[in-house]
Amino acid sequence: QQQVKQSPQSLIVQKGGISIINCAYENTAFDYFPWYQQFPGKGPALLIAIRPDVSEKKEGRFTISFNKSAKQFSLHIMDSQPGDSATYFCAASPNYGGSQGNLIFGKGTKLSVKP
Amino acid sequence: NAGVTQTPKFQVLKTGQSMTLQCAQDMNHNSMYWYRQDPGMGLRLIYYSASEGTTDKGEVPNGYNVSRLNKREFSLRLESAAPSQTSVYFCASSILQNAEAFFGQGTRLTVV
Repeated sequence: QQQVKQSPQSLIVQKGGISIINCAYENTAFDYFPWYQQFPGKGPALLIAIRPDVSEKKEGRFTISFNKSAKQFSLHIMDSQPGDSATYFCAASPNYGGSQGNLIFGKGTKLSVKP
Repeated sequence: NAGVTQTPKFQVLKTGQSMTLQCAQDMNHNSMYWYRQDPGMGLRLIYYSASEGTTDKGEVPNGYNVSRLNKREFSLRLESAAPSQTSVYFCASSILQNAEAFFGQGTRLTVV
């Protein structure tokens, strides 16, 4: 119930294309869904996050789509650029603390944007 | 602002040696975390400290110990390093558990 399943493992997109990464979860108590971006040799950094009171959040070229009934959320990168090439992690955490209250990460998607 | 600072950045240990990874944050965050990152495995939580004075096990705590020295600092200790602990280690902090986590730059540890 604490898992977050992310797909695909890797993704190759042409410059200007749309990159789509999907995540699914089971725990209905999850109420915070961030996406992290990680460049080689660096720590992950928050890219965009959503709470379940909205179905979509857009920041520039990055959009999170959230489907509460399906327990799925996805990251869309519009007009993908070579500089977007990185590993992306989805994550989720519940609305309570304690030993089950930490962020749970997906296994990551390595995105390569070809010029 | 420095954010989350980890030391060292790289380390090579021999099997059986011990070492401590240091982490400090300057954002007045309550919660701090240690993760390990291995290829294809994502980020796995080793230990966390929800608030100053408390520590608890995460998903993969075996072979590790932690100390929340004060609100700023959270260290990770390997008492007797094993090759299976070869990994990249990240420290992170957040104002609360259910909030944005800020990560350090990582420590690449190799145990030979």
